[in-house]
Amino acid sequence: SQKIEQNSEALNIQEGKTATLTCNYTNYSPAYLQWYRQDPGRGPVFLLLIRENEKEKRKERLKVTFDTTLKQSLFHITASQPADSATYLCALVNTGNQFYFGTGTSLTVIP
Amino acid sequence: EAGVVQSPRYKIIEKKQPVAFWCNPISGHNTLYWYRQNLGQGPELLIRYENEEAVDDSQLPKDRFSAERLKGVDSTLKIQPAELGDSAVYLCASSVGWSRNTGELFFGEGSRLTVL
Repeated sequence: SQKIEQNSEALNIQEGKTATLTCNYTNYSPAYLQWYRQDPGRGPVFLLLIRENEKEKRKERLKVTFDTTLKQSLFHITASQPADSATYLCALVNTGNQFYFGTGTSLTVIP
Repeated sequence: EAGVVQSPRYKIIEKKQPVAFWCNPISGHNTLYWYRQNLGQGPELLIRYENEEAVDDSQLPKDRFSAERLKGVDSTLKIQPAELGDSAVYLCASSVGWSRNTGELFFGEGSRLTVL
């Protein structure tokens, strides 16, 4: 069966540290993988896209890696800040423009 | 630019009652999605429109859910009759597709439904 799994537990880290979130999938062949941020009571907001032929993508303090052999994406937030506290969702996108979202990881950055 | 607008933000109804949600996507976005998000879960697709055409409605429970997108702009999602298990947040998203090179979805704030 198809599955997209993100960190099973909520993630609590100290301000200034690097947060690493995982997205593992089975029985999907995504052409792209996206990461979204969702704050309580709000809709998800797009952060980054990485393509299947790309290994790494960066945007300011964000870094995403994509390993299609391991079927895994890692999402890093460096120099984390309390304002980074939110739920982060990964989304697999196939060539048919179908989006499949993971369950999300709740991140809390402690001052 | 104005974002995706959804209404109502909150709705509380008793089971077996009907309910409707409305979505106005970003101007020029041809693709419109309705997702359902349960507490602690990721969004799950209900239906996707390309302009007026529903191109993916395989996950829409058609016995009680219906959707329409008249003139390829606004969309409504209806549930009739509602069941307790329909309590969730209903998210609308729109996309201009891959011409912006990211294919990102723009989400509305969502409509939170509580069925008593």
